[in-house]
Amino acid sequence: AQKVTQAQTEISVVEKEDVTLDCVYETRDTTYYLFWYKQPPSGELVFLIRRNSFDEQNEISGRYSWNFQKSTSSFNFTITASQVVDSAVYFCALSVLNFGNEKLTFGTGTRLTIIP
Amino acid sequence: NAGVTQTPKFRVLKTGQSMTLLCAQDMNHEYMYWYRQDPGMGLRLIHYSVGEGTTAKGEVPDGYNVSRLKKQNFLLGLESAAPSQTSVYFCASSYRVGTNEQFFGPGTRLTVL
Repeated sequence: AQKVTQAQTEISVVEKEDVTLDCVYETRDTTYYLFWYKQPPSGELVFLIRRNSFDEQNEISGRYSWNFQKSTSSFNFTITASQVVDSAVYFCALSVLNFGNEKLTFGTGTRLTIIP
Repeated sequence: NAGVTQTPKFRVLKTGQSMTLLCAQDMNHEYMYWYRQDPGMGLRLIHYSVGEGTTAKGEVPDGYNVSRLKKQNFLLGLESAAPSQTSVYFCASSYRVGTNEQFFGPGTRLTVL
């Protein structure tokens, strides 16, 4: 069975501070994909990134960066120089390639509040 | 492209009433999903479909039924609503599971009194 743990339920930081959202996953499969989604106050879920289990390179996209470490089963998300628009609930998710049992398993989310 | 749309956006039901939530996607995706989102629980998969005419149970299927008669539509039915089904329901679609991201609809907020 797959499991995703986001231990940080809520985080508040002052604008322009850096913040890291933690994600720890569990799976016995060797081929899997990890995702981050953002859910702003408007409610829709917005895809941020996908990473497969064979690619441990860190990725940077503007102020966002992701650190994937298979050794610790973690896929952490860092926002640099946070802005008020970053306030949202962020979900980490895991998908395995298991024909007949394919689904995306979500963590419980981290609510990030950026204080102006 | 409208992406993924959901109808209705809000609904209030009384216990025992029935209703159908409609999800439509215009991206020609094979896979479609229904999730429910509850405070502190994240998103949990109710049912999903890997193609027209096929459906499968997810993590929390009890009390719900689904149908995928057309590739672009995925219906979620509540035959006899219960207060425990008060939730926000999200529909999603993807080209295929695993390798591709899921595109989500705007959600339906359902309250069962």
